[in-house]
Amino acid sequence: RKEVEQDPGPFNVPEGATVAFNCTYSNSASQSFFWYRQDCRKEPKLLMSVYSSGNEDGRFTAQLNRASQYISLLIRDSKLSDSATYLCVVNPKRYSTLTFGKGTMLLVSP
Amino acid sequence: EPEVTQTPSHQVTQMGQEVILRCVPISNHLYFYWYRQILGQKVEFLVSFYNNEISEKSEIFDDQFSVERPDGSNFTLKIRSTKLEDSAMYFCASLPSGDYNEQFFGPGTRLTVL
Repeated sequence: RKEVEQDPGPFNVPEGATVAFNCTYSNSASQSFFWYRQDCRKEPKLLMSVYSSGNEDGRFTAQLNRASQYISLLIRDSKLSDSATYLCVVNPKRYSTLTFGKGTMLLVSP
Repeated sequence: EPEVTQTPSHQVTQMGQEVILRCVPISNHLYFYWYRQILGQKVEFLVSFYNNEISEKSEIFDDQFSVERPDGSNFTLKIRSTKLEDSAMYFCASLPSGDYNEQFFGPGTRLTVL
């Protein structure tokens, strides 16, 4: 089983749509969870950390289900500028290496 | 806002040549990392570095690779004898100590091995 698994997409949505991405991870001992955003040929940039209680940052909502080893990201009211690849990232322990999923590509069209 | 910088942005080299990729982490950070991303593939961990020594390394990080922090600011990745399959984006990242858990990534060096 892959360490971090994501649907590669692409997800093609119109502006204003709501879109959800899912991710599963294999290491049940993982401690920290993140969504990163990566634009084409650029570095990954942290979008948000993911907590068990769920957390929201503006139009973005992240959820973590430790029992199912499942992470989700919901984007509401999609903007053209949201077009990017969204990386699910897991960290087994503080200061340790990050394990990346392959990413889910989002294309938002006018 | 402080940021991680990397040089060069693009390096082209011949197979078998040595390359050194340079990174300047954020000044008060203590943990340093190299990752790579082959075109179309996921970001993969190479090595982490703390307190002037390697703390973790992946299977990719074989004897052809080495890292150094030669002074208080630079963090380098050396590939001794490049192979075609070393062509990738190489990202440096750094992390402060304490409760903060976000790794800050540099813009990357695109390495092309011919």
